[in-house]
Amino acid sequence: SAVISQKPSRDICQRGTSLTIQCQVDSQVTMMFWYRQQPGQSLTLIATANQGSEATYESGFVIDKFPISRPNLTFSTLTVSNMSPEDSSIYLCSVEYRDNEQYFGPGTRLTVT
Amino acid sequence: QKEVEQNSGPLSVPEGAIASLNCTYSDRGSQSFFWYRQYSGKSPELIMSIYSNGDKEDGRFTAQLNKASQYVSLLIRDSQPSDSATYLCAVKAAGNKLTFGGGTRVLVKP
Repeated sequence: SAVISQKPSRDICQRGTSLTIQCQVDSQVTMMFWYRQQPGQSLTLIATANQGSEATYESGFVIDKFPISRPNLTFSTLTVSNMSPEDSSIYLCSVEYRDNEQYFGPGTRLTVT
Repeated sequence: QKEVEQNSGPLSVPEGAIASLNCTYSDRGSQSFFWYRQYSGKSPELIMSIYSNGDKEDGRFTAQLNKASQYVSLLIRDSQPSDSATYLCAVKAAGNKLTFGGGTRVLVKP
């Protein structure tokens, strides 16, 4: 499977600020995704990061709040903008690799104070 | 609304016993089914995928799929304390989007 890294692994941010999370894969992949996992909850898909075009957002998530970039087939960023304590979550990127299977990065644990 | 349902547990299992986890889904168009294991503080790890009706075995894990009943299960044989984790069922319909269940917490007691 692909080796996926995320930066930062964790951060504590003040409300009203923004944080950009990076996701790097060691091989080219077509599909990359961003998920959120709130404390004690399961995973919710934020958006699909499309290479060379705008991301596809799920219901309840908007580009102004979660802008995503995908400049090439191995890298993507997710920005959490104008943060509030409700944005405190684990943010995970995933890639679809080897015919239909998704693998997850280690996650970014975000705390907003 | 497309849903994936799991019993949240905890499912308490003696060491060496079989742990049986269940998952139901609402979208009859679902084609692919996955089980992930998530240790506390870690990201989900793919342990099984299944695409056709019947059983699929991989080591101590067996996934079972019944599309007519919209039901997928995971059996863990010879459960070990290291199997203590949350197990997430994920379902994919048309397209590439995964929908996750809420997870079942498994506790294997020595």
